[in-house]
Amino acid sequence: AQSVAQPEDQVNVAEGNPLTVKCTYSVSGNPYLFWYVQYPNRGLQFLLKYITGDNLVKGSYGFEAEFNKSQTSFHLKKPSALVSDSALYFCAVRGYNNDMRFGAGTRLTVKP
Amino acid sequence: DTEVTQTPKHLVMGMTNKKSLKCEQHMGHRAMYWYKQKAKKPPELMFVYSYEKLSINESVPSRFSPECPNSSLLNLHLHALQPEDSALYLCASSQETSNYGYTFGSGTRLTVV
Repeated sequence: AQSVAQPEDQVNVAEGNPLTVKCTYSVSGNPYLFWYVQYPNRGLQFLLKYITGDNLVKGSYGFEAEFNKSQTSFHLKKPSALVSDSALYFCAVRGYNNDMRFGAGTRLTVKP
Repeated sequence: DTEVTQTPKHLVMGMTNKKSLKCEQHMGHRAMYWYKQKAKKPPELMFVYSYEKLSINESVPSRFSPECPNSSLLNLHLHALQPEDSALYLCASSQETSNYGYTFGSGTRLTVV
């Protein structure tokens, strides 16, 4: 079965500092990996995806993610965090049956 | 149109009521989904529709009944719910193949009293 894990419930960073939100995956075959962000009482917004190609994927709002096959990781990164980046972040994997499964989520807090 | 629209945004229903949640998209997506999300938890997949046919039912209780009347609409019929069914219900749609992400609606906040 396809799955992803987010080892950190909470990540705190200061505004202007780089941020990393971690994700590891367990898939058979080629992984289709995604990052979504959720603001309070809202649906999920797509940030970026890895399907194939370059290991560094650039997405919305200045976010990027690095796919690492040897470490089975897909960490989300941003060079300089904003207070407005504070939200709940989900890593996800899409299976061959059209089913997308989410990690437990990481709450990012960016302090001024 | 690049949105998934869910109605109503909020719903309070008694345990003996029957209600329906509605989801609509006009992006030409042929796969549509229902997810349930409890507070501070990840979305949990409930149902997957592909070309208007139910392809995945994640062992959801029969008090939840999905319906896909056409390629743009997805309904979730609710009957005899329990208080523990209170949650945010999210609808999503996507292209059929795995290398596309989902587009999510803003959800329906359901409270069962």
